[in-house]
Amino acid sequence: SQKIEQNSEALNIQEGKTATLTCNYTNYSPAYLQWYRQDPGRGPVFLLLIRENEKEKRKERLKVTFDTTLKQSLFHITASQPADSATYLCALDPLGGGSYIPTFGRGTSLIVHP
Amino acid sequence: DADVTQTPRNRITKTGKRIMLECSQTKGHDRMYWYRQDPGLGLRLIYYSFDVKDINKGEISDGYSVSRQAQAKFSLSLESAIPNQTALYFCATSDPDRGSTDTQYFGPGTRLTVL
Repeated sequence: SQKIEQNSEALNIQEGKTATLTCNYTNYSPAYLQWYRQDPGRGPVFLLLIRENEKEKRKERLKVTFDTTLKQSLFHITASQPADSATYLCALDPLGGGSYIPTFGRGTSLIVHP
Repeated sequence: DADVTQTPRNRITKTGKRIMLECSQTKGHDRMYWYRQDPGLGLRLIYYSFDVKDINKGEISDGYSVSRQAQAKFSLSLESAIPNQTALYFCATSDPDRGSTDTQYFGPGTRLTVL
C-alpha cells in the first residue's frame, strides 16, 4: 500500500541549530513533493516545492532535498528560531503525473527552544 | 490566508443536526477542496471541485455533501451530524501552474464539535 511517513515524535532543538525533518514514502513515484507549515488551529501554508528532477531547493533559511532512489525528502531550517516552531507537512503528487491533488503526510512538530 | 475565508470559525452542535460550513475565495482559482483534520490522522480529503460544474468525492465523503454555488464559493454540509465528525475542517483552493502542481491555499479552518 502507499504510505507517506513523517516522524510522529516532536523534534526539539535549540535556537540557532539546524532542524532537519524527514519525509519518506513508499509505493509512489511522485513528480513533485511539497512542504507546508501549520501553526496550531490554523491552515497549512505552502513553503517549498521540489520536482523529481531536482536534487535540492533553497528559500532563505529553508532547504529541501529530494532523493527519488531513497524515496525520501529532507527539510532543513538553518539558524532555527523559536518562531519556526510549528508542524511541518510534506505532500506529494500521488499519481506521478504532476497533475493531481497532493496527498499529505501527518506532519512532524518542531519545537525550537530559546 | 485572508484570500480564503471560512464561516463559521467555531461551531458546537448536537447529534442529528444539519450543519453547513461555508468557504469563499478571492484568489480567482477554479479548484476548491474540503479537508478534515484529526489528531494523529493528518489531512483527509472530503470533496473537491475543479470548476462550478465539477464535483468529486474524496477519500472520506460519506456523511457529507457539497455545493459549488459559484467559482468563489464552496459549501460543505453535514446532513445529520454525528460525534465522530468532530474535527477541524479546512477549505482550500488551487490553480495549477504551467508545471501542473496543485499547490494548496488553505483557509483558517472551522472547528466543529458534535455533542
